Amino acid sequence: IAGITQAPTSQILAAGRRMTLRCTQDMRHNAMYWYRQDLGLGLRLIHYSNTAGTTGKGEVPDGYSVSRANTDDFPLTLASAVPSQTSVYFCASSAGTGYDTGELFFGEGSRLTVL
Amino acid sequence: GQNIDQPTEMTATEGAIVQINCTYQTSGFNGLFWYQQHAGEAPTFLSYNVLDGLEEKGRFSSFLSRSKGYSYLLLKELQMKDSASYLCAVMDSNYQLIWGAGTKLIIKP
Repeated sequence: IAGITQAPTSQILAAGRRMTLRCTQDMRHNAMYWYRQDLGLGLRLIHYSNTAGTTGKGEVPDGYSVSRANTDDFPLTLASAVPSQTSVYFCASSAGTGYDTGELFFGEGSRLTVL
Repeated sequence: GQNIDQPTEMTATEGAIVQINCTYQTSGFNGLFWYQQHAGEAPTFLSYNVLDGLEEKGRFSSFLSRSKGYSYLLLKELQMKDSASYLCAVMDSNYQLIWGAGTKLIIKP
């Protein structure tokens, strides 16, 4: 069982380019999340989806978009990358919210550098 | 605003005990989580507290006092593999997780 798979693991791209980070889970979890992690800061929520077909904005959504066409996939798109989006991005999932412990399962992360 | 505070870095000796503190101010409370994150890896779940008191799980224990907005993670019989960052997170009234910046724990032989 793979759990959560993210791709790419690492990427360097030029400012202004479009980039999609992929995330797939095989646990049939309802909720999925995208976080960014920067040195000295806590994980910050970018976007989330409580169930397939729905998405919501997190703490730092600007410059990012997501879609949730099905239960398994939750891609994150940077329409026009900027250097401040240099970060480590983690995709996560949970069985649900509010009716269980809310334990998150994380992917291995995608390290993105925007030059 | 919502805030989670934990020490930036701690150092301890192999075989010893260490306590990592976390204080929080959030809009509502639906539980507190501790995660472990080794360098370059994903966070992994350690514990969840929603009621006051101590939860023990092997060498790791987590304590919660809701009235004080305070939690700690206690690690006993420290091993070199416990060198990692420990993240405290609180679930607020909207069931959103608010994360602390993490405590980097360095274990020395």
